[in-house]
Amino acid sequence: EDKVVQSPLSLVVHEGDTVTLNCSYEVTNFRSLLWYKQEKKAPTFLFMLTSSGIEKKSGRLSSILDKKELFSILNITATQTGDSAVYLCAGGGGNYQLIWGAGTKLIIKP
Amino acid sequence: DAGVIQSPRHEVTEMGQEVTLRCKPISGHNSLFWYRQTMMRGLELLIYFNNNVPIDDSGMPEDRFSAKMPNASFSTLKIQPSEPRDSAVYFCASSLGIGVSTDTQYFGPGTRLTVL
Repeated sequence: EDKVVQSPLSLVVHEGDTVTLNCSYEVTNFRSLLWYKQEKKAPTFLFMLTSSGIEKKSGRLSSILDKKELFSILNITATQTGDSAVYLCAGGGGNYQLIWGAGTKLIIKP
Repeated sequence: DAGVIQSPRHEVTEMGQEVTLRCKPISGHNSLFWYRQTMMRGLELLIYFNNNVPIDDSGMPEDRFSAKMPNASFSTLKIQPSEPRDSAVYFCASSLGIGVSTDTQYFGPGTRLTVL
């Protein structure tokens, strides 16, 4: 059965710290790994990764995919209180379905 | 673009009542998804439309749930009769193209449904 597992489930850090969120996946006919940020509303798209070893970067956020070891990480440097959110990871296979992880709840303390 | 639009944003109803949730996808997007999110089960896909045609409704929990997409700019999710266990946040998402997993899905703001 396809699954996506995120760790940790929750994380509390202080502003300015760097965090690494983990996502491991088992998805049949894997094609894509997506990261979303969810505050108190809709998930908003961050990254889509399809190739191993190529880092995607947006400001202080970056992500990379390892298709051999079946995982991805999301890094956030110099965290700010606005980074507090649930970060969702989803794996895409050969069709339209995304397999969603349970999310990592990140809390940034001032 | 206004993004995906959903209404209402909040709905409180009593058990047994009919509930209709509405969604307007991003203009030009060919695929539309209805999701349900709860603390216990996370995000669950309920139904997927492509070019207004329901492709997969295997995630619809039971016959009380139905969804329609009469045209490219409007979809509804109906629950009749509603039950307390239907309380959740319902999201609509749309994507460009034929809905393969390499198409980014863009989510609406969601409808928070509470069934008393």
